[in-house]
Order: sequence, then structure tokens, then C-alpha cells
Amino acid sequence: DIQMTQSPSSLSASIGDRVTITCRASQSIGISLNWYQQKPGKAPRLLFFAASRFQSGVPARFSGSGSGTDFTLTINSLQPEDFATYYCQQSYSTPRTFGQGTKLEIK
Amino acid sequence: QEYLVQSGSELKKPGASVRVSCKASGYTFTSYAINWVRQAPGQGLEWMGWINTDTGNPTYDQGFTGRFVFSLDTSASTAHLQISNLQAEDTAVYFCARRGSSVTSGAYYYYMDAWGEGTTVTVSS
Repeated sequence: DIQMTQSPSSLSASIGDRVTITCRASQSIGISLNWYQQKPGKAPRLLFFAASRFQSGVPARFSGSGSGTDFTLTINSLQPEDFATYYCQQSYSTPRTFGQGTKLEIK
Repeated sequence: QEYLVQSGSELKKPGASVRVSCKASGYTFTSYAINWVRQAPGQGLEWMGWINTDTGNPTYDQGFTGRFVFSLDTSASTAHLQISNLQAEDTAVYFCARRGSSVTSGAYYYYMDAWGEGTTVTVSS
């Protein structure tokens, strides 16, 4: 199975900050990497697929990048609604493993 | 707009069975596979497997074989997850999610682009 490791596991930031979350795969997965946002008590929401392709409706302050084993999710100018937990997930092979999540909290 | 609506919360005793339903609307049900994802209390997301809604063929992750069964009622555009012989460690929120896909340079990329709201299953004596 492909292991997905996110860092950091938690992150405190302020409104207007720029933050970066990283995701590392245990083997090369090309660009088969998705990012999801989950707020408490809610279902996850797809942000990006194929590492950097926007899902419809995602604000432009979000960006995704990377290939191979290393990927990043960047949020520019944090807004109050961005405080949530973020997960990466590989779609290169089954099982479709998720990272452990990064909880983004308000400082 | 695509929607997945799941059945309500369940409270079950150890050893019982439960069926979680996921009804799709707003798209052709048999054109998109359905994934199942588990989230234990305070934990991350765990992919359980998926079911091909065209053929009915299920694929289970290694940790979800035996007591977990994915099935379909295509006439009702509904996917089901049945869990038998429930254990305390099955207490979790169970999500269904539609498998979207995109083709770029001949390569397929898969993702979960529409999610149900989640069904809480609590196992307690």
C-alpha cells in the first residue's frame, strides 16, 4: 500500500497569512493526488485533483502543486472560512490512501 | 447539481447488523462509481473500497473484507453498505462519495467529487 504522510499535523495561523501544507507519498504517484477540506461535522469537500487542477468553486487563493512523491497545498491570505482540516489522498492505486490530515487553526 | 443523501444515524448493539443507504440524484447513477469512507471519532479519513455502479462489482480494502458488503439498488439510484457482527470499533461516521474522473494526455485521474452528509453508526451495549 502507498503511505501518505502530511506535515504538519496541525498548524496555527492568522487571518491574512499564507500557509503551506505538504504531503509525501511513499512511492512515486505521478500527479495522482487529491486534496480535500473538511469542517467539523461536515463531509469532506474536494479542492484539487491531479495535484493542481481546481475543482469548480474553489477560491483562487488556494493552489496545489507537486508531482512524484512531494506535493503542496498553499492557501494565500487566509480567510475565516479556511480554518478546517485538510487531507491529501492518492488515486494512483488501490487502496486509495489518505494522509492523516492537517488541522488548520486560528492563532 | 449532484446530490448524495444518506440514511440517518444508527445505534446498534454488538453483534447486530446495520445497513447504511446512499441515494444519488442529479446525475446518471450508473455512470459513476461509489466509494465508501469511514471516519472514526476524532480520527482521519479511511477509504473502505468502492462499487462499480454499472456492473455491481465491489472492491474492498484489506481491512474491510468479510463483515462489510457493498450493494446497489440501481432502480432506486441507491448504494448500500451493510456491516454485520458489529463491534465497538465500528463506531464511526460512514460517508459515500461519487467517483469523478478526468482524462489528461490519455491518463485517467480519479477523485471523490460529491459526498453524502455521513451516517453515524454507534455500537454500544
